[in-house]
Amino acid sequence: QVQLVQSGAEMKKPGASVKVSCKTSNNIVSRYAITWVRQAPGQGLEWMGWISAYNGNTRYAQNVQGRVTMTTDTSASSAYMELRSLTSDDTAVYYCARQELSPGHPLDYWGQGTLVTVAS
Amino acid sequence: SFDLTQPPSVSVSPGQTATITCSGDKLGDLYTSWFHQKPGQSPVLVIFQDKKRPSGIPERFSGSSSGNTATLTISETQSLDEGDYYCQAWDSGTYVFGTGTTVTVL
Repeated sequence: QVQLVQSGAEMKKPGASVKVSCKTSNNIVSRYAITWVRQAPGQGLEWMGWISAYNGNTRYAQNVQGRVTMTTDTSASSAYMELRSLTSDDTAVYYCARQELSPGHPLDYWGQGTLVTVAS
Repeated sequence: SFDLTQPPSVSVSPGQTATITCSGDKLGDLYTSWFHQKPGQSPVLVIFQDKKRPSGIPERFSGSSSGNTATLTISETQSLDEGDYYCQAWDSGTYVFGTGTTVTVL
């Protein structure tokens, strides 16, 4: 059974950093790329980036490039997303998702989401 | 990147057919996925590669693509089909999500 279980809600002050974890079943992170998507309150889905299973290569969206780092730890079967220099615009639910290998790379399994609130 | 445009809302009567479109300049060259999201829940993949259904997704959900428009069709719509629907395409290593459509079953 495929499962992605994310860390709990976080409350941060502006300028701080947050690191969200995504623990996967069957060590998915060693075989599949993991994508991160966020959703601000009442808004749509926004792709943030992905990290490859094979070589750790990453690809980040332009609007978070320079502030985000995605990593994996196969020994912990987990993926991580760190976002720095937080502002209120970063308040959102953050999701990890498995990136399927077939053409189009559909996101077939998702974590339950982690709410990150940025407020002073 | 490019934009994927969806109608903001679609209303449908129970048992009728709901149709959601997704338009984008490059969509004809790309595969489209569709996601269903209920309030407070994670998105669920309902269609991938334009028209394929993941296991466990009812046959009522179907997808198609022609030119620069992809379409999600929900036949015999039920109240549990309410929620937000997002199209998505993979383009040169990046994911693009549509603007989202709220489906209401009246």
